[in-house]
Amino acid sequence: DQQVKQNSPSLSVQEGRISILNCDYTNSMFDYFLWYKKYPAEGPTFLISISSIKDKNEDGRFTVFLNKSAKHLSLHIVPSQPGDSAVYFCAASGNNDMRFGAGTRLTVKP
Amino acid sequence: SAVISQKPSRDICQRGTSLTIQCQVDSQVTMMFWYRQQPGQSLTLIATANQGSEATYESGFVIDKFPISRPNLTFSTLTVSNMSPEDSSIYLCSVGGPYAEAFFGQGTRLTVV
Repeated sequence: DQQVKQNSPSLSVQEGRISILNCDYTNSMFDYFLWYKKYPAEGPTFLISISSIKDKNEDGRFTVFLNKSAKHLSLHIVPSQPGDSAVYFCAASGNNDMRFGAGTRLTVKP
Repeated sequence: SAVISQKPSRDICQRGTSLTIQCQVDSQVTMMFWYRQQPGQSLTLIATANQGSEATYESGFVIDKFPISRPNLTFSTLTVSNMSPEDSSIYLCSVGGPYAEAFFGQGTRLTVV
């Protein structure tokens, strides 16, 4: 029962360009959404979040967009840097429950 | 914030044996969470460990296979019992969430041969 889906297992972009990572969810009870970044041999670390009352949240180079009607969120990284190369997980929370997507491996080429 | 020390970071184990994973948090927390990430899959919650009570297991996970201890507010262990190759995964402990950021240990990469 995959309630949170990241349909792109990998993404490769050139340094300086925009990275767009996508996430879809199926459960309408989710009302809080988070993105985590994971480097090899490390645990995931929190990146940015958004509440369902908003449609956009920005933090430096990172912006998360939420489209509730489409049950879709995306993470934009501008400009992308080689140090952004990692696996990115989206997570959706609701009713005291949190579900994760399978992750997208982002590679930023110098 | 919270800093979680998880060990071992990796292990290779024989089928039929058990492995205990430890997590130490640098502050007192009420709930600790144990996740599994199978290859190519999402992080799946195994159980929630509360201090002073039995752990709460998610559907598909049972105490006999994944016994959990929570002796105090800063420490927890997860044991993977009677292992088979299907148990090869990354196991993670976590605190925090779901309506605030969660903090994770560095993970334990388990390979069962």
